[in-house]
Amino acid sequence: QSALTQPASVSGSPGQSITISCTGTSSDVGSYNLVSWYQQHPGKAPKLMIYEVSKRPSGVSNRFSGSKSGNTASLTISGLQAEDEADYYCCSYAGSFHVVFGGGTKLTVL
Amino acid sequence: QVQLQQWGAGLLKPSETLSLTCAVYGGSFSGYYWSWIRQPPGKGLEWIGEINHSGSTNYNPSLKSRVTISVDTSKNQFSLKLSSVTAADTAVYYCARGRRITMVRGVRKDTYYFDYWGQGTLVTVSS
Repeated sequence: QSALTQPASVSGSPGQSITISCTGTSSDVGSYNLVSWYQQHPGKAPKLMIYEVSKRPSGVSNRFSGSKSGNTASLTISGLQAEDEADYYCCSYAGSFHVVFGGGTKLTVL
Repeated sequence: QVQLQQWGAGLLKPSETLSLTCAVYGGSFSGYYWSWIRQPPGKGLEWIGEINHSGSTNYNPSLKSRVTISVDTSKNQFSLKLSSVTAADTAVYYCARGRRITMVRGVRKDTYYFDYWGQGTLVTVSS
């Protein structure tokens, strides 16, 4: 099992939109609509932001959206706010009752 | 409201066994799989394994030989043991609520995501 590939960092100005990619393989992201995304602020536990590729849990802002094309999933944050500055991780089911995480992306709000 | 509270030893010597426990408060315990996930300092998340109320387990292949996850349904608790630890096992360890199984039009559907997390426990391995 190899970690999913995410960019190490992305940045954007307040009000802008950014997209974080998460590239896997045909054995994980490409085969299942079971991609989830997590936001993690320093010293805190991760928080679920997106599940099943594009579904938002109750209480998560609709500025967060998810999608998938082939072996790559994406998280888009629109209307960037200072509070969105955090690390973001993708996660996918990888078959055989296993899951795999991405390496994480640090989002900086300029 | 679901809450996960975890505890265990925070400082170990190489070759010792890491032991953590997570208690689940609120919600259904039997309807989910419960996972352990770790995060080395400054690094990403790594799934360790999962267990359900019946004791059915699945482990990350890279850790399988050293990991044991167990459950105590009388207390709504589950535990992690990781043997023969080294400095590479230094990490914050999280417990989390994970896989859920539902029936959709008579067909079993397994859904994977982690919606409730423990507070995390920093485990340091040092001689």
